Amino acid sequence: GNSVTQMEGPVTLSEEAFLTINCTYTATGYPSLFWYVQYPGEGLQLLLKATKADDKGSNKGFEATYRKETTSFHLEKGSVQVSDSAVYFCALRSSGGSNYKLTFGKGTLLTVNP
Amino acid sequence: EPEVTQTPSHQVTQMGQEVILRCVPISNHLYFYWYRQILGQKVEFLVSFYNNEISEKSEIFDDQFSVERPDGSNFTLKIRSTKLEDSAMYFCASSEGRQSGANVLTFGAGSRLTVL
Repeated sequence: GNSVTQMEGPVTLSEEAFLTINCTYTATGYPSLFWYVQYPGEGLQLLLKATKADDKGSNKGFEATYRKETTSFHLEKGSVQVSDSAVYFCALRSSGGSNYKLTFGKGTLLTVNP
Repeated sequence: EPEVTQTPSHQVTQMGQEVILRCVPISNHLYFYWYRQILGQKVEFLVSFYNNEISEKSEIFDDQFSVERPDGSNFTLKIRSTKLEDSAMYFCASSEGRQSGANVLTFGAGSRLTVL
């Protein structure tokens, strides 16, 4: 079956530090890959997505590249801000079968200190 | 920006009681979902709903669970007789359609259920 593995948190960084949150997946076919973010007290918000190999999703300074050869979709940001403090979820949806179901990782809590 | 609204934000209940979690999806969306996250674990798919019927459900979604769209705006999740292990954050989501490969789900802020 499908699965997503994220690096264990929590991650604590100083402002302007470089961020990487690792995500690897197991899936059949050609899944779509997503990063969702949950700010305190809010819902899961789509941060970025990629639908095919070598696609790069980007938003708000965050980037992730769909790497089929390593089955990875690592999230990166060159310079984090305090406002980036949140929980980040990697997720996938299979290309075949159900189009409805997202498979999530456990989430990684990021805290950015001033 | 349109959003998915969930109520209550937190509910505490006794084991064996019935609970109804409510959601107002985005108005032009056609597909509706419930997910849950037990503390410290992954966000898990429960059920999807389209055209007034369940499209898919996970093995978690047993006979104790039901969903309903009682009117044109609300989408509810009912747990008939809550168990301790039902304690979790429950997320409602909706999506506009079923575009292959890139269908984007919009999630609510979640309803935290605590079963004592």
